[in-house]
Amino acid sequence: GEDVEQSLFLSVREGDSSVINCTYTDSSSTYLYWYKQEPGAGLQLLTYIFSNMDMKQDQRLTVLLNKKDKHLSLRIADTQTGDSAIYFCAETQLNTGGFKTIFGAGTRLFVKA
Amino acid sequence: ETGVTQTPRHLVMGMTNKKSLKCEQHLGHNAMYWYKQSAKKPLELMFVYSLEERVENNSVPSRFSPECPNSSHLFLHLHTLQPEDSALYLCASSQDRRNTIYFGEGSWLTVV
Repeated sequence: GEDVEQSLFLSVREGDSSVINCTYTDSSSTYLYWYKQEPGAGLQLLTYIFSNMDMKQDQRLTVLLNKKDKHLSLRIADTQTGDSAIYFCAETQLNTGGFKTIFGAGTRLFVKA
Repeated sequence: ETGVTQTPRHLVMGMTNKKSLKCEQHLGHNAMYWYKQSAKKPLELMFVYSLEERVENNSVPSRFSPECPNSSHLFLHLHTLQPEDSALYLCASSQDRRNTIYFGEGSWLTVV
């Protein structure tokens, strides 16, 4: 299967941590990505993790990968109002047709002041 | 600045018009993509070009016609569109199909 699934909405208070979750079904994934889309803009690459890694940290961002459960998460520490955006999970798969990147539907993060 | 530039950023066109969206990438990539993003729908992959050859066409109506004259430029020619084609059209590029995809800022299209 090719599905990448995310919950549609998340609301947090400013200063709290946000955790955005994603599940995928294809076990042939090579890289997994998180993109951020602010209103009126394109998708901006936030971070990525190679499929043989469990965790990656980059300043306020922590990516956790549970390959057994096919679960990817993005934790944003000390969430700010500027973090309000849509966050897309994506997976690059290798299948019989070659490499293909599949995107989730996006999680809209609301940050309350 | 992502290295992928799209023009125009906003376009309003009538259903009988012919217009084109342009995309240019300055990253030395070999693959380029058109995606459609509509309200409340997932990102839809329309076309993929690799080394200037179209390698994927996901059942897109013929009123959308892509053109890739070289590895740095990608066009989407639009003709006799419908109001439901109003959306954000995103161009993207990657080194090849395995690697990270980088997006442009998008072209907002409104069909009236």
